[in-house]
Amino acid sequence: DTGVSQDPRHKITKRGQNVTFRCDPISEHNRLYWYRQTLGQGPEFLTYFQNEAQLEKSRLLSDRFSAERPKGSFSTLEIQRTEQGDSAMYLCASSFGQGRYGELFFGEGSRLTVL
Amino acid sequence: AQKVTQAQTEISVVEKEDVTLDCVYETRDTTYYLFWYKQPPSGELVFLIRRNSFDEQNEISGRYSWNFQKSTSSFNFTITASQVVDSAVYFCALWVMEYGNKLVFGAGTILRVKS
Repeated sequence: DTGVSQDPRHKITKRGQNVTFRCDPISEHNRLYWYRQTLGQGPEFLTYFQNEAQLEKSRLLSDRFSAERPKGSFSTLEIQRTEQGDSAMYLCASSFGQGRYGELFFGEGSRLTVL
Repeated sequence: AQKVTQAQTEISVVEKEDVTLDCVYETRDTTYYLFWYKQPPSGELVFLIRRNSFDEQNEISGRYSWNFQKSTSSFNFTITASQVVDSAVYFCALWVMEYGNKLVFGAGTILRVKS
């Protein structure tokens, strides 16, 4: 399977714990995005990487959130000291560079439940 | 501000009926792209179409057609002769060049096609 893969698909954790999600994009894509989706809503942008550089971050991304993309390949999204409001589906997407704006390839998401 | 409104929260139709999903967008920029994505129960958003702001030609792809009208800031999506497999959540989205490298999604429309 050469699509975007995310791991884990589901995570249940207790409030205050740290969680980390991993995303493996399509190999030839240099752009990688993280979005968050809550029930009944559309995805909301969190952050964007071009290769290994994190070029944009949403104000939704509080200090408890950190994302990395070492070597411009896979990416991780870590949430520290989770809160119940962090419960959501975390979506990763990748895309080609210039000229294909907005044509994103999404993974199936990582669903986080904070108890 | 950039905003996408999908006023229809949920639509139910019987197989073979035609159905139109509405999308209204807001932006002050003249260069932008509009999209439709499909999210089946598996959760993975799938790109359907992209239109740029300078191309108001309607497009047809099989049973799918899209009507872009700048005068009303709308980008509606019609499925002809709907099928059960069309059941999904459909998102309209906006990409504005001056607003950064991100898609702004509407809240989505749940389409249920009954046999």
